[in-house]
Amino acid sequence: NAGVTQTPKFRVLKTGQSMTLLCAQDMNHEYMYWYRQDPGMGLRLIHYSVGEGTTAKGEVPDGYNVSRLKKQNFLLGLESAAPSQTSVYFCASRAYTGELFFGEGSRLTVL
Amino acid sequence: KNQVEQSPQSLIILEGKNCTLQCNYTVSPFSNLRWYKQDTGRGPVSLTIMTFSENTKSNGRYTATLDADTKQSSLHITASQLSDSASYICVVSASGGSYIPTFGRGTSLIVHP
Repeated sequence: NAGVTQTPKFRVLKTGQSMTLLCAQDMNHEYMYWYRQDPGMGLRLIHYSVGEGTTAKGEVPDGYNVSRLKKQNFLLGLESAAPSQTSVYFCASRAYTGELFFGEGSRLTVL
Repeated sequence: KNQVEQSPQSLIILEGKNCTLQCNYTVSPFSNLRWYKQDTGRGPVSLTIMTFSENTKSNGRYTATLDADTKQSSLHITASQLSDSASYICVVSASGGSYIPTFGRGTSLIVHP
C-alpha cells in the first residue's frame, strides 16, 4: 500500500527554470494539499484541491500553479523558479476522518 | 484568524525522562485536534486525535490531553526513547465544512542517550 508518493525526491534548479512536482495517492481521497516547509516556519499551505478538476489557493500561492486532472494525482508547477522557492515540499491527502496522509517530501534547491 | 501556538519551540531531554509539549489554539468552531510526529527527512504521521468531548487519549507512551474551555492541549511523552527525537506538530480543524486545518509550527524534541 503506497499511500502518498511524491516525485522527484530531490531537485536542483537554476533561477528561471521550470519544473513540476507530482503527487500520487492510492487511497481514493477527495482532498489533496501542497505544503512547503521552511526552517522555523512550519508547514504552509500553497494550494489545495477538494476534488478532480478543482483547485484553490492557500496561504502562499504566488509563483506556483497546480492541476488535478485525475483524482489520484495533484501536480505542483513552478513556471520560473526563484531562490525564495528553495524549500521542502510536502503533498498530503485527507481521509474522511480528517486525518492527513503525507508524502515523504520533495527537496528543491533553486540556485 | 485561526491560530495554533506551540511551546516550547525546541526541547532537549535525556533518554528515559518524561516531557510535555503544549499547544494553544484559537480555531473556531472547533472540530478536532491532532498531534503529528515528523521524523527528520520524513513526512508527518498522525499520533492521536482529540475531539471536543475527549479529555485524554493515550497511544503507547504518548498521552494527549485537551481542555476545550481554555483551548489548550498537551502531549506527554513517558520514558522517552532515542526514537522519540522528532518534530511534533499540533493541527486543529474547524467544523462547518472547512477543508483547511490550521498547523502549529511544531516543537523539535531531541532525546540524548
